[in-house]
Amino acid sequence: GNSVTQMEGPVTLSEEAFLTINCTYTATGYPSLFWYVQYPGEGLQLLLKATKADDKGSNKGFEATYRKETTSFHLEKGSVQVSDSAVYFCAPDTGRRALTFGSGTRLQVQP
Amino acid sequence: EAGVAQSPRYKIIEKRQSVAFWCNPISGHATLYWYQQILGQGPKLLIQFQNNGVVDDSQLPKDRFSAERLKGVDSTLKIQPAKLEDSAVYLCASSLDRAWGNTIYFGEGSWLTVV
Repeated sequence: GNSVTQMEGPVTLSEEAFLTINCTYTATGYPSLFWYVQYPGEGLQLLLKATKADDKGSNKGFEATYRKETTSFHLEKGSVQVSDSAVYFCAPDTGRRALTFGSGTRLQVQP
Repeated sequence: EAGVAQSPRYKIIEKRQSVAFWCNPISGHATLYWYQQILGQGPKLLIQFQNNGVVDDSQLPKDRFSAERLKGVDSTLKIQPAKLEDSAVYLCASSLDRAWGNTIYFGEGSWLTVV
């Protein structure tokens, strides 16, 4: 069936470090791909999305590229801030027009 | 624009009791979702509505969970009787419709603790 695999956390980085959170998926066809972020005590918020192969989604300095050949959608940021500390979820739309979420990756950024 | 509204935010009940959660989606959004998020896990879809019809309830434990969206606007999710393993955050979400790539917007969730 459809599934999502994210790198396990927590990921602990120093401020201004480079961030990569890996995400791979299995799905029927070519799903739309999303990254959601959950800040402490808050609900899920859309961070970025890509709807077709080779598209790059970007927002708030984060980027992710839809790689059809490797079925991946890795999240990257060149310089993280303390305020980026949160849980990040990779979520493809697996054809039911509903999201299938990974287990989430907790990011902790230290000053 | 108002977001997805949920209530109550927090609820503590004893096992075998019942509980109901309410959700009001973003105005004009035809598609409404209920997700269950157990601590440390990603959200899992329970049920999806398109207007007042159920599109997908394949992962809803129908022996104890029920949901309705009678007028195609707000929705209620009920658990009866509750079990300890139902302790989770219940997330309501909505989207404009089921078109490809549409963004799904989430409420802040209703936190349930079953003791």
